[in-house]
Amino acid sequence: EVQLVDSGGGLVQPGGSLRLSCVASGFTFTTYWMTWVRQAPGKGLEWVANIKYDGSAKYYVDSVEGRFTISRDNARNSLFLQMNSLRAEDTSVYYCARLNTAYEGVDYWGQGTLVTVSS
Amino acid sequence: SYELTQPPSVSVSPGQTASITCSGDKLGHKSTCWYQQKPGQSPVVVIFKDTKRPPGIPERFSGSNSGNTATLTISGTQSMDEADYYCQVWDSSIVLFGGGTKLTVL
Repeated sequence: EVQLVDSGGGLVQPGGSLRLSCVASGFTFTTYWMTWVRQAPGKGLEWVANIKYDGSAKYYVDSVEGRFTISRDNARNSLFLQMNSLRAEDTSVYYCARLNTAYEGVDYWGQGTLVTVSS
Repeated sequence: SYELTQPPSVSVSPGQTASITCSGDKLGHKSTCWYQQKPGQSPVVVIFKDTKRPPGIPERFSGSNSGNTATLTISGTQSMDEADYYCQVWDSSIVLFGGGTKLTVL
């Protein structure tokens, strides 16, 4: 059974940093692109970043470029999102998700972890 | 930049057909997925590659994509289908979601 378990969310002050983690199981992690998607309270889904299966390519939405870094540790079946210079508008539930090239979309989602940026 | 536009809300009576649209420039040349999200839950893919249903998704969910519009159709809509629905494309290594449509079954 495919499982994605997100963690690392919490309350952080504006300008602060946070590192999200996602542990994957039930599939061959090294053969899938992975992604982070966020959802602000009461709002829609917003793509944040993608990373290729081997970590050789990374892509970001403009609003987080230069502040967030997506990475992965294939030996530990883990995906990460390092978030720096956080702003109030980054407050969201962050979902780790698996991209399926056969779907050209997401086929599995984590449960989400809440990041609140507030003083 | 590329945008996907969805109506904010759609209403349907139980047993009737609901259609949710997603519009974008030459969207028919791209591959579209649709996701269902119920309150407090993670999204679930209901349609991929415009028309295909993942395992476990009921046959009443179908999709089409042509010209500038992709459409999610729910036939014989049930109360359990009340949810937010999002279209999505993966284009040039970037993922893009539509703004979402709240489907109300009443």
